[in-house]
Amino acid sequence: NAGVMQNPRHLVRRRGQEARLRCSPMKGHSHVYWYRQLPEEGLKFMVYLQKENIIDESGMPKERFSAEFPKEGPSILRIQQVVRGDSAAYFCASSPRASLRTYNEQFFGPGTRLTVL
Amino acid sequence: AQTVTQSQPEMSVQEAETVTLSCTYDTSESDYYLFWYKQPPSRQMILVIRQEAYKQQNATENRFSVNFQKAAKSFSLKISDSQLGDAAMYFCAAGAGSYQLTFGKGTKLSVIP
Repeated sequence: NAGVMQNPRHLVRRRGQEARLRCSPMKGHSHVYWYRQLPEEGLKFMVYLQKENIIDESGMPKERFSAEFPKEGPSILRIQQVVRGDSAAYFCASSPRASLRTYNEQFFGPGTRLTVL
Repeated sequence: AQTVTQSQPEMSVQEAETVTLSCTYDTSESDYYLFWYKQPPSRQMILVIRQEAYKQQNATENRFSVNFQKAAKSFSLKISDSQLGDAAMYFCAAGAGSYQLTFGKGTKLSVIP
């Protein structure tokens, strides 16, 4: 069973361009989470998605950032008109289900390191 | 909502010795979970150990164990018989339900041969 896949592993964009980060969850997992790690910081939650639904986007910047998890295909984190402050590592995690009563482990992908020139 | 604080930006330990990494947290949830993650230079996030808040017994995983003090909201990680491969960033994290893990800023652990 392959782990969580993220691509690309490294992405370089110039200011004003768009960045698309992809995440394929583990087989059988229908819940996806995106986190951002700024240099010298811990991971910060951005968004939680189930298939075709955004469940919690409280950590997403209000502008330029969007996320989707379509019925078919990977989850996409999209950053429009990137700025230097968007340079960070973006991690995706997946879990098989979510419950407020029990914890279901989030399995992390290797991350995508975005560099904005 | 949770907050997680790691007050030790860097720690070092001699190979084969024991080291303890500190973590304090705050949460409004009554049912929550605590974690230690390891992030080696590859940046992959690796779950080291987890603790359910309703369990009084401290979790252990081989050379890794925690000291969970619920009243003090403290969750420290003890690494025994430290090995060179333990060198990494260690992040303490808290979660309730199955989403929105909250991470501390991390402790960089160096292992001295």
